[in-house]
Amino acid sequence: SQTIHQWPATLVQPVGSPLSLECTVEGTSNPNLYWYRQAAGRGLQLLFYSVGIGQISSEVPQNLSASRPQDRQFILSSKKLLLSDSGFYLCASQTSGGTNEKLFFGSGTQLSVL
Amino acid sequence: AQSVAQPEDQVNVAEGNPLTVKCTYSVSGNPYLFWYVQYPNRGLQFLLKYITGDNLVKGSYGFEAEFNKSQTSFHLKKPSALVSDSALYFCAVRERTGGSYIPTFGRGTSLIVHP
Repeated sequence: SQTIHQWPATLVQPVGSPLSLECTVEGTSNPNLYWYRQAAGRGLQLLFYSVGIGQISSEVPQNLSASRPQDRQFILSSKKLLLSDSGFYLCASQTSGGTNEKLFFGSGTQLSVL
Repeated sequence: AQSVAQPEDQVNVAEGNPLTVKCTYSVSGNPYLFWYVQYPNRGLQFLLKYITGDNLVKGSYGFEAEFNKSQTSFHLKKPSALVSDSALYFCAVRERTGGSYIPTFGRGTSLIVHP
């Protein structure tokens, strides 16, 4: 079973400040990794996904970026936060294929941009 | 293209009564189907999935779901609801072959179980 470590749990940042959220995965190798944002406790918006080290795909244009410096490390960043970046950010890992396929989620980071 | 719909924003049920949370999907071929649950301020947890085989899938916490290919549905069910089942439930779909490996999630259904 995979374990997703995500921190911090809560973050309050001023507009225009930088951001770095980190996610690390235990219990698997070469996973697909995802960053989701959830607004107001409802639907999930896929922000970025990665199928390997240094491979990042962006789903929506925004002032956020992602990096995958190691196989089981996924980082979400911003140089200057906007008010609209507030939300609940979730990291997820997937070892896809066949009967073992499912997503494992971290516990999330509640980001408030003020 | 793959898509999933959860037609109900909220489902209310009394404790001890059966519950159903609805999900319909659309894929070009055969689907992988999933249910996840989210408790407040937490990440999503996997409940169950349909890959192939029996249409009735049993999962965690007494939940089950029935794959209905003709109705393109994968409704989540539980025979007797508990107050602790109150949470946000997400259905997800992924096309089994030839499509994206990224699952598509529904908007979520808030389940409220009243004592």
